[in-house]
Amino acid sequence: GDSVTQMEGPVTLSEEAFLTINCTYTATGYPSLFWYVQYPGEGLQLLLKATKADDKGSNKGFEATYRKETTSFHLEKGSVQVSDSAVYFCALSGNDYKLSFGAGTTVTVRA
Amino acid sequence: NAGVTQTPKFQVLKTGQSMTLQCAQDMNHNSMYWYRQDPGMGLRLIYYSASEGTTDKGEVPNGYNVSRLNKREFSLRLESAAPSQTSVYFCASSEGGGFNTQYFGPGTRLTVL
Repeated sequence: GDSVTQMEGPVTLSEEAFLTINCTYTATGYPSLFWYVQYPGEGLQLLLKATKADDKGSNKGFEATYRKETTSFHLEKGSVQVSDSAVYFCALSGNDYKLSFGAGTTVTVRA
Repeated sequence: NAGVTQTPKFQVLKTGQSMTLQCAQDMNHNSMYWYRQDPGMGLRLIYYSASEGTTDKGEVPNGYNVSRLNKREFSLRLESAAPSQTSVYFCASSEGGGFNTQYFGPGTRLTVL
């Protein structure tokens, strides 16, 4: 079945550091790929998504590119802020209603 | 717009008790979902409703039942709670499946003693 593997955390960074969270997937066909973010005490919210190969999703300085050849969708941000401290989830959806999530990566940014 | 709302925010049950978690959305979405979140396991789909009048099992449906009351509301029922059901429960909604974004509620933290 479909599955997502993402980099284990926790990750601790200083402000203005570069952030990368690796995500790889296994799926049949051509899934859509998502990054969701969960701030402390809140539900998940969409950070960015890509629906076909070579698409780049971007939002709030974060970027991820859908790489079919490496089955990856790595999340990057060039200069993190304290407000980026959160749990980040990679997820995929096939041609149905099921969203498969990775285990989540906790990111803490220190001032 | 409130988006997706869930009640209650917190609940403590004793083993064997029953309860219903309520979820409502005001985005006129067709599809609704219930997930549970456990440490180190991401979110796992319990049940979903692709459209009003339909419900289907997800990855971990045992011990739960759902009702799609109307287009806006989707409830999750625990008939006889067990400690293994201690978790954070999230409701979500979307226009449809596939590439459509799912919008999540704030969650219900449930503890079963």
